[in-house]
Amino acid sequence: EVQLLESGGGLVQPGGSLRLSCAASGFTFSNYAMSWVRQAPGKGLEWVSGISGSGGSTNYADSVRGRFTISRDNSKNTLFLQMNSLRAEDTAVYYCAQTLWGGMDVWGQGTTVTVSS
Amino acid sequence: QSALTQPRSVSGSPGQSVTISCTGTSSDVGGYNYVSWYQQHPGKAPKLMIYDVSKRPSGVPDRFSGSKSGNTASLTISGLQAEDEADYYCCSYAGRNTWVFGGGTKLTVL
Repeated sequence: EVQLLESGGGLVQPGGSLRLSCAASGFTFSNYAMSWVRQAPGKGLEWVSGISGSGGSTNYADSVRGRFTISRDNSKNTLFLQMNSLRAEDTAVYYCAQTLWGGMDVWGQGTTVTVSS
Repeated sequence: QSALTQPRSVSGSPGQSVTISCTGTSSDVGGYNYVSWYQQHPGKAPKLMIYDVSKRPSGVPDRFSGSKSGNTASLTISGLQAEDEADYYCCSYAGRNTWVFGGGTKLTVL
């Protein structure tokens, strides 16, 4: 069964850091680009960051560029999102998703990040 | 990276058809045939319903269809059923390996 499982969310103070993980199973992880997508409470979906299958190409939304870093370990079938200088507006459920040009086919269940003092 | 524009809400009675629009620009929706649609029930992860503008993943009923004209994409749901009540989001590839979502549309089945 194709599956993505996020972890690492939690409560962090403004200015703090957090590292999210996404464990993949059931497919050849290195063959697929991956994305992080977030959803603030009561709000819509926002694409945050993406990474190529090899990890050689990374991209970010303007809202997180310079603060977040996406990476992957294909030997461990795991995707990461390092989040630094966190702000209240980064509070959201963070999803990882298997990404093709035309759509995001497989999603995890999400992990909640709360930035608050 | 401006969000795509969707109506905030649409509604229809069981058995009817509804269409949700998604308007972008020539830099996203109009520039690529890479529009996708997602269904999201409360507290659940999004589910891919349409990809590549009009293709359905296996398991998605053929009541769901997608199309695009210029900078506007559309999702049509025919033969509305109670379980179709959910939030729907469009998404488009926006070049340079970036994607942009719409603001979401709440579908109410009356």
